[in-house]
Amino acid sequence: NAGVMQNPRHLVRRRGQEARLRCSPMKGHSHVYWYRQLPEEGLKFMVYLQKENIIDESGMPKERFSAEFPKEGPSILRIQQVVRGDSAAYFCASSPRKEAPPNYGYTFGSGTRLTVV
Amino acid sequence: GQQLNQSPQSMFIQEGEDVSMNCTSSSIFNTWLWYKQDPGEGPVLLIALYKAGELTSNGRLTAQFGITRKDSFLNISASIPSDVGIYFCAGLNSGGSNYKLTFGKGTLLTVNP
Repeated sequence: NAGVMQNPRHLVRRRGQEARLRCSPMKGHSHVYWYRQLPEEGLKFMVYLQKENIIDESGMPKERFSAEFPKEGPSILRIQQVVRGDSAAYFCASSPRKEAPPNYGYTFGSGTRLTVV
Repeated sequence: GQQLNQSPQSMFIQEGEDVSMNCTSSSIFNTWLWYKQDPGEGPVLLIALYKAGELTSNGRLTAQFGITRKDSFLNISASIPSDVGIYFCAGLNSGGSNYKLTFGKGTLLTVNP
């Protein structure tokens, strides 16, 4: 039973390029959450999505960042025109229900480490 | 926004020693959680606390939910080398946003064999 799968594990982008981060939730999970971890910081909530719907994007930067969770396929976090300050680890979590851990299987993936050069 | 202050930032201990770390908040949380993050991996849940005053154990780990609901501590007894990693506290509120975790900045634990 695979866990939350994120790819790529590492991504290097030049300033101004686009970054696409993918998250496949655990089987049977229809709720996805994205968090960002800056160097030597804790994780910070970005966005919560259900299939085809953005439920809460209160933690997303207003510009250049977007997220989707289509009916088919993984959830995508997209960062346009990346800048050095976007360098961070981006984690995805999924759950079968809206409520968070532990009773509801809220599980984190291994993350994507984005480096902007 | 809500903030969690976690201390100490880092600890260097000898194998076999006990460890204690804590977390304080400027506001109340209804659930406290402790996670461990290994290098290059995502956080893994260690212990969850649901009631003020609750003391919960998981093997060599013990955690308590403070009476004021604004703090929590985690103890690790008889540390071993595989305890190395970053330990995070996280708070969760009930109600409409009971999916949004607020994390501390972590405690980096190094265990010398």
